Amino acid sequence: DVKVTQSSRYLVKRTGEKVFLECVQDMDHENMFWYRQDPGLGLRLIYFSYDVKMKEKGDIPEGYSVSREKKERFSLILESASTNQTSMYLCASSLSGRGEQYFGPGTRLTVT
Amino acid sequence: SQQGEEDPQALSIQEGENATMNCSYKTSINNLQWYRQNSGRGLVHLILIRSNEREKHSGRLRVTLDTSKKSSSLLITASRAADTASYFCATDESNDYKLSFGAGTTVTVRA
Repeated sequence: DVKVTQSSRYLVKRTGEKVFLECVQDMDHENMFWYRQDPGLGLRLIYFSYDVKMKEKGDIPEGYSVSREKKERFSLILESASTNQTSMYLCASSLSGRGEQYFGPGTRLTVT
Repeated sequence: SQQGEEDPQALSIQEGENATMNCSYKTSINNLQWYRQNSGRGLVHLILIRSNEREKHSGRLRVTLDTSKKSSSLLITASRAADTASYFCATDESNDYKLSFGAGTTVTVRA
């Protein structure tokens, strides 16, 4: 079974802090994704990566950056957290870009 | 950008009844997928239907795809309490490499 793990289930940070969200997958998938999920808005793609050290902007990249130094690990970075970044963050991986995605359990981030 | 839109937003049914939800999208696609999300958890993939397929089954799930109407439906037969969840459709535009998710349908199955 594919396993996607995220570093924290719940996280509380203060405005202006630098925040790291980590995601690890164990299936040697090429593609990894970061989404945020807000009520009524569904999932919105922040960034994705189709190879090590490669990254592509999604629909809402502003205020975020990512890092993929190793194939299994994809990190989301909030350079200076703001209250409007309070959300559920979901990481996913897939073998092909358009194929089935495997999701982690999510990190519920609160920025105060 | 949000390509898919689910309808209805919420659905409440009695255990044993069928649940039907729909997804409409805007542009040509390669495939359409359905996912389930239990409260506060990650999404789980249910089924993928390709643009050249019209219907697909998986256990108690039946998915149809009508590319001429740019719409899909997910039917859950003989629903159970464990089917209580949010259901999302996800599409990939033909010239794109990633999925776009709708806002989801929340299904509540009453015992």
